[in-house]
Amino acid sequence: TQLLEQSPQFLSIQEGENLTVYCNSSSVFSSLQWYRQEPGEGPVLLVTVVTGGEVKKLKRLTFQFGDARKDSSLHITAAQPGDTGLYLCAGGRTSGSRLTFGEGTQLTVNP
Amino acid sequence: EAQVTQNPRYLITVTGKKLTVTCSQNMNHEYMSWYRQDPGLGLRQIYYSMNVEVTDKGDVPEGYKVSRKEKRNFPLILESPSPNQTSLYFCASSSSRLPGQGSQPQHFGDGTRLSIL
Repeated sequence: TQLLEQSPQFLSIQEGENLTVYCNSSSVFSSLQWYRQEPGEGPVLLVTVVTGGEVKKLKRLTFQFGDARKDSSLHITAAQPGDTGLYLCAGGRTSGSRLTFGEGTQLTVNP
Repeated sequence: EAQVTQNPRYLITVTGKKLTVTCSQNMNHEYMSWYRQDPGLGLRQIYYSMNVEVTDKGDVPEGYKVSRKEKRNFPLILESPSPNQTSLYFCASSSSRLPGQGSQPQHFGDGTRLSIL
């Protein structure tokens, strides 16, 4: 079974601070997706990275896929209260037919 | 509006009473999937379907059944629910048969919170 571990599990910071969330595995994934989930809703896709070493930016969010495609990180610059939510990483299994999700990082940004 | 619709959103029931959670998508997606979400365990896949009449087990299929008779619908059936199936359930669909390869997202419903007493 391909497993994904996210860290930290919980993160509470002040508005304006920077933060990084990590998603690690001992397995290689064909792709890595990051989702954000708000209370009472399903996860919503933020980005997909498919190439080792790939970096994608989405406004204040920077996503990186490790060179060996075993890990990924999400960096948020100048966090805002609207960034509060559960961040989930999901790795594409080699068969492509399934995704493995991490446990999630609950981020709270205090005004 | 493109969406995945689950019903019911909340259900409290008792052990052993069969129940069905419906899932419908209006995006003509081939791939559909059911997940359960539990604290500290993230999303775990129960079953998935890559096309009509094609279903496969995910990581935690025990105690669940699914069917895919039509492209748009993918119901989750608990024949004899037990307390350990108390959880938050999500249905998802994707335009790609291989959501793990490439950039096509999975579109999730808003969840069904099941409590089995």
